[in-house]
Amino acid sequence: AQTVTQSQPEMSVQEAETVTLSCTYDTSENNYYLFWYKQPPSRQMILVIRQEAYKQQNATENRFSVNFQKAAKSFSLKISDSQLGDTAMYFCAFMKHKGGSEKLVFGKGTKLTVNP
Amino acid sequence: DAGVIQSPRHEVTEMGQEVTLRCKPISGHNSLFWYRQTMMRGLELLIYFNNNVPIDDSGMPEDRFSAKMPNASFSTLKIQPSEPRDSAVYFCASRTGGGSYNSPLHFGNGTRLTVT
Repeated sequence: AQTVTQSQPEMSVQEAETVTLSCTYDTSENNYYLFWYKQPPSRQMILVIRQEAYKQQNATENRFSVNFQKAAKSFSLKISDSQLGDTAMYFCAFMKHKGGSEKLVFGKGTKLTVNP
Repeated sequence: DAGVIQSPRHEVTEMGQEVTLRCKPISGHNSLFWYRQTMMRGLELLIYFNNNVPIDDSGMPEDRFSAKMPNASFSTLKIQPSEPRDSAVYFCASRTGGGSYNSPLHFGNGTRLTVT
């Protein structure tokens, strides 16, 4: 079974600085997809960024970028120029593409606090 | 686009009572997911449907839980009888299925269930 591990339960960063959240996963699949979701205190789950495993180029979305290391099964999220509104829980998620399964497996999350 | 709509937003009930959670997916999305979120276990997939048909219900905790999707625009998750350990936030999510495996899940705002 696939597992997703986020080793940092909590992190904090000063406003305008850069922070990196780590995520590793375990799979024997070759084709799969990876996602980062954000959950602010309102508890809404918001997609931040996604990556296809067959693409070597790291995905970027404005201030958010990933460092995808397929061989190491690592998928870290970098937030540049942190803003107070980035304060939230961040979840890494994995979805395999095999046999029609669409199961999305989540890590336990990292609580990020951006300090003024 | 109204997004995924869940009701109620909060539910407080007594142990032994029946609870029904409701979800309206985004129009045109043909995959629907029910997740449960707790502090201890994080986000767990309970069941998912594709084209109104249950595909994977291996995450349903026990027979007290049941889910239905009578049509493409409505799904319910029922707990009967409810127990205090069922207290959690229940999320419904939808996405376009088929070959678009990298299309993200769109989450509703969740139902916070408290069983006393």
